Amino acid sequence: DGGITQSPKYLFRKEGQNVTLSCEQNLNHDAMYWYRQDPGQGLRLIYYSQIVNDFQKGDIAEGYSVSREKKESFPLTVTSAQKNPTAFYLCASSIEYQPQHFGDGTRLSIL
Amino acid sequence: GQQLNQSPQSMFIQEGEDVSMNCTSSSIFNTWLWYKQDPGEGPVLLIALYKAGELTSNGRLTAQFGITRKDSFLNISASIPSDVGIYFCAGRPPNYTGANSKLTFGKGITLSVRP
Repeated sequence: DGGITQSPKYLFRKEGQNVTLSCEQNLNHDAMYWYRQDPGQGLRLIYYSQIVNDFQKGDIAEGYSVSREKKESFPLTVTSAQKNPTAFYLCASSIEYQPQHFGDGTRLSIL
Repeated sequence: GQQLNQSPQSMFIQEGEDVSMNCTSSSIFNTWLWYKQDPGEGPVLLIALYKAGELTSNGRLTAQFGITRKDSFLNISASIPSDVGIYFCAGRPPNYTGANSKLTFGKGITLSVRP
């Protein structure tokens, strides 16, 4: 089945540690997105990529980094510079003029 | 930046009742989308609207793209317990084209259905 796979489902980070969240899609979508969700805040865009080897900052990119080396993969690294990383992270993808489709998310917590 | 307004933050209804949710903006959008999110999962697309005035149904759900292009509403008829979740509206502004389907999201409405 085609879809978006996020892993792991749950992730714990220690102080000063970088962690990487995986997002893989087999929908052949050009564009991919990372969102952060906090209770009552809705979805806030961290980074997005329209094409391989290119990506742009979203509204809350500080403390995060991404890469887009393959069309189907868009990993997100939460760096130690992100002081409040506890949140639910959602990855999405889309093709031209079509709605975004989401993965099932990764919940990141601080140890 | 552009914002989408959804209120109230929470709604409580009785099973079998109809419910209507609005999404408004101070600026126009070319596309309106409605998503539902179950706890611990990603949002799932319910309805997509692409034209001002468009009225689209998906089972017990009906959504409309406002004539002014600044609002949209979602109706759920004869609610059932599995309708519980967070309902998000999202819109795509006119200046985003091509592969960039960058969306603006509302903060969502949490719907509770009492049996």
